[in-house]
Amino acid sequence: DQQVKQNSPSLSVQEGRISILNCDYTNSMFDYFLWYKKYPAEGPTFLISISSIKDKNEDGRFTVFLNKSAKHLSLHIVPSQPGDSAVYFCAASRSHTGNQFYFGTGTSLTVIP
Amino acid sequence: DGGITQSPKYLFRKEGQNVTLSCEQNLNHDAMYWYRQDPGQGLRLIYYSQIVNDFQKGDIAEGYSVSREKKESFPLTVTSAQKNPTAFYLCASSIGGELWSNQPQHFGDGTRLSIL
Repeated sequence: DQQVKQNSPSLSVQEGRISILNCDYTNSMFDYFLWYKKYPAEGPTFLISISSIKDKNEDGRFTVFLNKSAKHLSLHIVPSQPGDSAVYFCAASRSHTGNQFYFGTGTSLTVIP
Repeated sequence: DGGITQSPKYLFRKEGQNVTLSCEQNLNHDAMYWYRQDPGQGLRLIYYSQIVNDFQKGDIAEGYSVSREKKESFPLTVTSAQKNPTAFYLCASSIGGELWSNQPQHFGDGTRLSIL
């Protein structure tokens, strides 16, 4: 039972344009969300997080948006760069139940120079 | 330079053998985790440990065992009872502590296990 879903396995974007990666979740008790970036043969690297008390969090070129009513979050990368080409995972957890995260299946982003 | 070290990077196992994957961290983190990743799937939690000498089963613990005798180390044993052990295994850690929640997990580079 996949509680966190990334329905787009892949995405291609031109360099300099915006990349939008989407993630949906089913458990309304989730209140903390993260995005990870993963290069081949490496472990995931933490990118950005958002708590459910916010609807937006920004860090440089990366912005995460949270729509609690739709149980949807998205990661915007502006402008996209070739080095952003990687697999992106979203993850969700529920406070006060330990630090257990549920991960999506990942979206492979390719930024075309 | 702090981080998480997983070894070996590639591991081969014969049918019926147990094999142990190493995970060491020098981040002074209390909490450690083991995940499994299969093609086309997200990371699934095998075991986690909030503190030394304590660990809990995750969603797919059957056929696996762990120990947490030292803060820095959280080895995972894939036993012969695990029917489909071929996968990419990732170890992670987080700060932990009393407010053990809403903490990003930091990952090692993984071990790819294959059955001969």
